[in-house]
Amino acid sequence: DAKTTQPNSMESNEEEPVHLPCNHSTISGTDYIHWYRQLPSQGPEYVIHGLTSNVNNRMASLAIAEDRKSSTLILHRATLRDAAVYYCNGVGTYKYIFGTGTRLKVLA
Amino acid sequence: NAGVTQTPKFRVLKTGQSMTLLCAQDMNHEYMYWYRQDPGMGLRLIHYSVGEGTTAKGEVPDGYNVSRLKKQNFLLGLESAAPSQTSVYFCASRRPGLFYEQYFGPGTRLTVT
Repeated sequence: DAKTTQPNSMESNEEEPVHLPCNHSTISGTDYIHWYRQLPSQGPEYVIHGLTSNVNNRMASLAIAEDRKSSTLILHRATLRDAAVYYCNGVGTYKYIFGTGTRLKVLA
Repeated sequence: NAGVTQTPKFRVLKTGQSMTLLCAQDMNHEYMYWYRQDPGMGLRLIHYSVGEGTTAKGEVPDGYNVSRLKKQNFLLGLESAAPSQTSVYFCASRRPGLFYEQYFGPGTRLTVT
């Protein structure tokens, strides 16, 4: 699995967009990029994944750099319920290692 | 569907005691995983399984054993608990394929005194 690097923490104002970056410079051509989030006192939950193209779903958007060495998770309008730790994982095998995560704080 | 369930939810052990954590999933997933999460830290992979009867070591396997005798169950054993094993343990499962996501259980909070 590709090693990923994320900022330890970020802050955002409520109802503003949030861009959460992830570096994965060792990613191979077939590794997928998965994002999860973990709300306080809960298990992680899946957010979105992608390979090469940008992806959108009801929770978020995923923008993948052309060289695939980095990606950005975009929350279009942050709410207080989006305060969580967000994990970026490079998935290349069945082993499934988690990244260190970014703690997102949303300010009212 | 119950998804992924974990038993027990909480447990307190004394140093040297043994216990088994049970993970069950009803989604017919091939792959199952055990992670530990220490306070304020990320998830670390302990062991995983890619099918019934198979297991493999993750990042932090020492002090733990696992078994996958049935496809729907994945057991994590602590033979001689140590205070360093105080943690929250999460189980997850998913289908084969790099694009499939993991589904997590609610966690087991274990304290070893």
